[in-house]
Amino acid sequence: GAVVSQHPSRVICKSGTSVKIECRSLDFQATTMFWYRQFPKKSLMLMATSNEGSKATYEQGVEKDKFLINHASLTLSTLTVTSAHPEDSSFYICSARDTDYSYEQYFGPGTRLTVT
Amino acid sequence: AQSVTQLDSHVSVSEGTPVLLRCNYSSSYSPSLFWYVQHPNKGLQLLLKYTSAATLVKGINGFEAEFKKSETSFHLTKPSAHMSDAAEYFCVLMDSSYKLIFGSGTRLLVRP
Repeated sequence: GAVVSQHPSRVICKSGTSVKIECRSLDFQATTMFWYRQFPKKSLMLMATSNEGSKATYEQGVEKDKFLINHASLTLSTLTVTSAHPEDSSFYICSARDTDYSYEQYFGPGTRLTVT
Repeated sequence: AQSVTQLDSHVSVSEGTPVLLRCNYSSSYSPSLFWYVQHPNKGLQLLLKYTSAATLVKGINGFEAEFKKSETSFHLTKPSAHMSDAAEYFCVLMDSSYKLIFGSGTRLLVRP
């Protein structure tokens, strides 16, 4: 089956610094990747949709200048949390869709971000 | 607007007894519906999906779900719970732009 990896699995950073999270599709090419945020004991909230070679589309209420998304290749998307604050602490999960005609999303294992 | 409602935030069953996790949806068109499972600090695993074919959908690990249009429901069931089934379960609807709309989740506890 299709495998999506994320790196790192856990990261702790100081307030004011930036942190980058990588999402990779290991055995397929992902024209579209998605970034979700999950608060403790809550559901997943879609942050943005990332298309290879173009700008990401952000959901309402998500700050594009704070959560920078880059999808430079068909197997890699990155989420950079800039000037992180403790309220950015969360579980970030990416998913990938293997073609424009396939609706199924394959999820990564998630990245636990803690901002101190 | 499309939405998904999971009626129970927690469900507790004894090992070997049936599992029922309830999900209702709202959609102006015939939806695609999914159930995902999430183990602690893990990503999501697809259990099963409904895409307008058979209304009774069989998934992995003995789970199944029945799409009932008249009741706008897509409940998840399993005849006999196993300790390894303890996890968070999400009912998910795909909207017309192929985005996933997640329910609030149901935490399944399995007692020995």
